[in-house]
Amino acid sequence: GQQVMQIPQYQHVQEGEDFTTYCNSSTTLSNIQWYKQRPGGHPVFLIQLVKSGEVKKQKRLTFQFGEAKKNSSLHITATQTTDVGTYFCAGVGVTGGGNKLTFGTGTQLKVEL
Amino acid sequence: EPEVTQTPSHQVTQMGQEVILRCVPISNHLYFYWYRQILGQKVEFLVSFYNNEISEKSEIFDDQFSVERPDGSNFTLKIRSTKLEDSAMYFCASSDQGRDYEQYFGPGTRLTVT
Repeated sequence: GQQVMQIPQYQHVQEGEDFTTYCNSSTTLSNIQWYKQRPGGHPVFLIQLVKSGEVKKQKRLTFQFGEAKKNSSLHITATQTTDVGTYFCAGVGVTGGGNKLTFGTGTQLKVEL
Repeated sequence: EPEVTQTPSHQVTQMGQEVILRCVPISNHLYFYWYRQILGQKVEFLVSFYNNEISEKSEIFDDQFSVERPDGSNFTLKIRSTKLEDSAMYFCASSDQGRDYEQYFGPGTRLTVT
């Protein structure tokens, strides 16, 4: 079945440093979504990418979808303590009618002052 | 802002007992989902539901699991005979359209099977 991997698994940064997490799917995706989960919380939708090669920005966050629609990345510029949490990519496959999200393994971000 | 709600927030049950987890999706949404997350691991898809029937389910969603939309607002997940390995956080989600629309997650129910 479809598998979605993310690297790194953990990342510790000093506040103000940049952060990037990479997401790779074993199969081509219809779209990819990114979610943030704070410790003890639930996944919160950040953004969705649909088109091949798409780049979207939200303030300090930049999201990219690969040309082959099998990989994606999230880059945070100048991290802040509020960025702490686990970032998951979640892909929707091109087949299947149920719209299931296949979540990546997640990257846990810790930001130190 | 509308949100998905789930009850209870924490359920403790003994192995072999039946549990029902409840969710109230966002009112105008049409697609409903259950996911689970074992502590420290990734979120796993269980089932999706549309137009009063299951549209997709994972290998995890075996005969011990069932879902129901008993009325116009609730969406439930039943586990008939719980096992220790069913201990996890269960998230309900909903979306107002299908494939290309974001899913809104509820706060989750932490199920502990002893």
